[in-house]
Amino acid sequence: KAGVTQTPRYLIKTRGQQVTLSCSPISGHRSVSWYQQTPGQGLQFLFEYFSETQRNKGNFPGRFSGRQFSNSRSEMNVSTLELGDSALYLCASSFGKISTDTQYFGPGTRLTVL
Amino acid sequence: QKEVEQNSGPLSVPEGAIASLNCTYSDRGSQSFFWYRQYSGKSPELIMSIYSNGDKEDGRFTAQLNKASQYVSLLIRDSQPSDSATYLCAVKMNNNAGNMLTFGGGTRLMVKP
Repeated sequence: KAGVTQTPRYLIKTRGQQVTLSCSPISGHRSVSWYQQTPGQGLQFLFEYFSETQRNKGNFPGRFSGRQFSNSRSEMNVSTLELGDSALYLCASSFGKISTDTQYFGPGTRLTVL
Repeated sequence: QKEVEQNSGPLSVPEGAIASLNCTYSDRGSQSFFWYRQYSGKSPELIMSIYSNGDKEDGRFTAQLNKASQYVSLLIRDSQPSDSATYLCAVKMNNNAGNMLTFGGGTRLMVKP
């Protein structure tokens, strides 16, 4: 069974630009969660999508947005990039059952903002 | 106070020893707990999940949960140099409607040959 895939794996952007990251979950998984990982703040939850609806949202500004398609693939968008947005962006997929669900992470997208 | 706390380490153990990693959490109603391993430059990899009080064993790994003390731990027996990584404790807190995980800062484990 194929794992979670994320594209692109690496991105270099400049301040003020916008970026779109993509995540394809494990086959059969309907929940996709996005996390940001930085050395200073660790792993922080951005948002979760389940059946094309945002089910949960972390404490990030509105510049961070996402969506999910009918095939469960998800994208996240960051507009007006800031230097502090440089991070590893991880997507995790799961079946979507809340109580005992297990999330599996993709390889991540390394975003560098210059 | 952070919601999920771990000692950042590094925790250094000799090869073959038992490594003990600890995690405390603030939300008493939390129900699901996970340990992930993350090698440098890689994404987190699930090691264990635990939902009930007590011990859960999987090979060389044992997760322990004590909800009364709001404490979860991971024991690694017969530690190998390949176990050297950062171990992340993650908690699904009771106050969220979905699948959000709250992570601790991670404990860096070094296993010396």
